[in-house]
Amino acid sequence: AQKITQTQPGMFVQEKEAVTLDCTYDTSDQSYGLFWYKQPSSGEMIFLIYQGSYDEQNATEGRYSLNFQKARKSANLVISASQLGDSAMYFCAMREGVATGNQFYFGTGTSLTVIP
Amino acid sequence: GAVVSQHPSRVICKSGTSVKIECRSLDFQATTMFWYRQFPKKSLMLMATSNEGSKATYEQGVEKDKFLINHASLTLSTLTVTSAHPEDSSFYICSAILRLASYNEQFFGPGTRLTVL
Repeated sequence: AQKITQTQPGMFVQEKEAVTLDCTYDTSDQSYGLFWYKQPSSGEMIFLIYQGSYDEQNATEGRYSLNFQKARKSANLVISASQLGDSAMYFCAMREGVATGNQFYFGTGTSLTVIP
Repeated sequence: GAVVSQHPSRVICKSGTSVKIECRSLDFQATTMFWYRQFPKKSLMLMATSNEGSKATYEQGVEKDKFLINHASLTLSTLTVTSAHPEDSSFYICSAILRLASYNEQFFGPGTRLTVL
């Protein structure tokens, strides 16, 4: 089974609007971490936001927020007030517990295009 | 945030030659580094986990003799693609783990685009 599932290969959003990128995960660990990364055309992976499995509040970092629904095993990324520079690939990732040796699992990514 | 560099950023080589890619953590010590491979418009595929002072752990299907990994110090890991062939052409990304108080954060290098002619 896929550890991380991103069902939206491509998304479009109007500039200044909000957009939600979906991510579901699969793990039997109690302790895990969820990450979102942005990859522009240059190829560099840029860390956006982190959510720990024990964190009770949704993580927020500026215009990025993570809608964490533990029971549903979902960790959707919400980008508010989209900007043209937000156009990029977005990857959801998960790190499971200590036993896996810090390995990260990545989803297949969502290509976001912000329309002027 | 922490900085990870990769060198070279782009390399073109002839089939049959070997190529070495360096991954450095510039302002922190990383006992664990990862090497990923990414095909165009695809996700990152973990190739191996590089641990300082020990042998790398390779993922299933990755040839150890073809992709040599050396993690000689706490700030440097190298990936050598031996006897490269056109099918090895890809985008290779390394990352280094920074152990923070509450979680381990992964910092990525800028990637190396390898083209084998």
